[in-house]
Amino acid sequence: DAGVIQSPRHEVTEMGQEVTLRCKPISGHNSLFWYRQTMMRGLELLIYFNNNVPIDDSGMPEDRFSAKMPNASFSTLKIQPSEPRDSAVYFCASSFESGPNYEQYFGPGTRLTVT
Amino acid sequence: AQSVAQPEDQVNVAEGNPLTVKCTYSVSGNPYLFWYVQYPNRGLQFLLKYITGDNLVKGSYGFEAEFNKSQTSFHLKKPSALVSDSALYFCAVRGSSNTGKLIFGQGTTLQVKP
Repeated sequence: DAGVIQSPRHEVTEMGQEVTLRCKPISGHNSLFWYRQTMMRGLELLIYFNNNVPIDDSGMPEDRFSAKMPNASFSTLKIQPSEPRDSAVYFCASSFESGPNYEQYFGPGTRLTVT
Repeated sequence: AQSVAQPEDQVNVAEGNPLTVKCTYSVSGNPYLFWYVQYPNRGLQFLLKYITGDNLVKGSYGFEAEFNKSQTSFHLKKPSALVSDSALYFCAVRGSSNTGKLIFGQGTTLQVKP
């Protein structure tokens, strides 16, 4: 299995620009998670999808952030407009929620720098 | 509400010595507990989990964790540390009985010195 795939791996953009991060979960997994990691705030859950439906978006910082999951094999996290404080590493993770299986598998992350 | 705490920001150990990274939890209901490791510039990697059964759980890379219900702890252990074990370690607990959401601790940096 290829694991969780994220693109791009690095993104540098200017304040005010739109940024789109992409994620392909592990085939067969039914849940997808977007996290943000910074030195100051640690690991934060932004949004959680189950069967392509957003279940918990309470971690989305503000309306500038939006996430979609149009099908079981693809999700996007969009920031519009971006701000310097959005600079962080963004992780996508997926899991197969069934029985005792709740472990999440993480992608390599997208390092976002907003100047 | 479910929560998890890692009381140590950093743990230092000499190579070849046993290591312990501490984790305590608070849950309503039966706990689902997890350990993850993060190497520099990488995503988190699943190490092991406790769902039910034997209190000593074995995982990847020679790591194991001991579930202690009375102390509400789930400490990560390894009998003999390697320099390559140096990384950031996260403990996590399942959010509740009807969600796949995991609540992560703040992480503990493990430094293994030669």
